[in-house]
Amino acid sequence: EIVLTQSPGTLSLSPGERATLSCRASQSVSSRYLAWYQQKPGLAPRLLIYGASSRATGIPDRFSGSGSGTDFTLTISRLEPEDFTVYYCQQFGTSRIIFGQGTRLEIK
Amino acid sequence: EVQLLESGGGLVQPGGSLRLSCAASGFTFSNYAMSWARQAPGKGLEWVSAISSSGGATYFADSVKDQFTISRDNSRNTLYLQMNSLRAEDTAIYYCARYCVGGSCLPYYGMDVWGQGTTVTVSS
Repeated sequence: EIVLTQSPGTLSLSPGERATLSCRASQSVSSRYLAWYQQKPGLAPRLLIYGASSRATGIPDRFSGSGSGTDFTLTISRLEPEDFTVYYCQQFGTSRIIFGQGTRLEIK
Repeated sequence: EVQLLESGGGLVQPGGSLRLSCAASGFTFSNYAMSWARQAPGKGLEWVSAISSSGGATYFADSVKDQFTISRDNSRNTLYLQMNSLRAEDTAIYYCARYCVGGSCLPYYGMDVWGQGTTVTVSS
């Protein structure tokens, strides 16, 4: 069973800085099956990235995804105030779907 | 506008049952796989179940297998989650989401549309 481990648990940065969030899989996964979500307090998750690197509709280009095999990264190039929230990676398996435990991005 | 609207949550005693519904609008519901996910208070997201576009294939997380049933009525554009033998650890916000299997709503896999969630509380 694949496990997704996100790091760091909490990331403290300032607006305008670059954020790098990691998602590591316990075994190799296809990039086709790796997605990232943003969730703001009290709201449903929002799809940011699918296929490891494709931005979903309406997502600003400051968000980018990369990686392959077991290591995937979500990068936010220049943090805006509204970006400080929680992010999850997700992997689609043959018969199950897994979320990472999340990374909280907080204002320093 | 593409939209999902969950309903059916509430307070239920341990051992009780509840059926959640998710009404879809703005897209051809019968063309898409669907999924349920949940989020316990203060916790992260947990995938619960998924169903194919026809309803012929269903999938469950180990934590709810043999306890929950997923189904859909394509004539009513509605997704369901039947939850039995509920326990305190099933307390969560339950979200339905459109599940994009590669080539359907997205070129690859993702959950691109989410409902606002419905709250289930299991307590005596």
